[in-house]
Amino acid sequence: NAGVTQTPKFQVLKTGQSMTLQCAQDMNHNSMYWYRQDPGMGLRLIYYSASEGTTDKGEVPNGYNVSRLNKREFSLRLESAAPSQTSVYFCASKGQGAVNGYTFGSGTRLTVV
Amino acid sequence: EDQVTQSPEALRLQEGESSSLNCSYTVSGLRGLFWYRQDPGKGPEFLFTLYSAGEEKEKERLKATLTKKESFLHITAPKPEDSATYLCAVQARSGGYQKVTFGTGTKLQVIP
Repeated sequence: NAGVTQTPKFQVLKTGQSMTLQCAQDMNHNSMYWYRQDPGMGLRLIYYSASEGTTDKGEVPNGYNVSRLNKREFSLRLESAAPSQTSVYFCASKGQGAVNGYTFGSGTRLTVV
Repeated sequence: EDQVTQSPEALRLQEGESSSLNCSYTVSGLRGLFWYRQDPGKGPEFLFTLYSAGEEKEKERLKATLTKKESFLHITAPKPEDSATYLCAVQARSGGYQKVTFGTGTKLQVIP
């Protein structure tokens, strides 16, 4: 009963470095999402994938790219990290059909210095 | 633009002292309103979905209600383990964009 697994849990990057955040779910969900959470702001959607093979921009996509590798895995890439990307990143998935709640991973705390 | 406002920002209760958290929203046609619980250092955990005004959902000491403008999360006789941040979110009916708007949460502390 792993649910949604994110790696790494913590990361410190220097400005300009790149990295990929990994996410995998084992619930056979079609839809997967990447959110960021910042103090005093609600969770904001970066990118989502409604189904395997499709990806779309969310509310704050600039500076990020995503890959839906297969039905289980959805990765988020920062090509050239900036201090404004310091945040906690959550991956989530959702089942098909009616309006279901998300299942979230435990998050990646990213600091860009 | 969809908006979600939660109040209060923080709430401190004695164990057993019942209270309510508020979520006010504006959305162009509500598809669903969600409540989540978030513990420190963890991802949000789904609690309830409410679809239409008048609907109620319960889980242990928690009861969520919905009107056309707001939702309440009632906590009856809370225990210290209910301490967490409670998030409210709404999804609009219109558009193909799977946009869910989250509030900033109410941080609940229950003191023994």
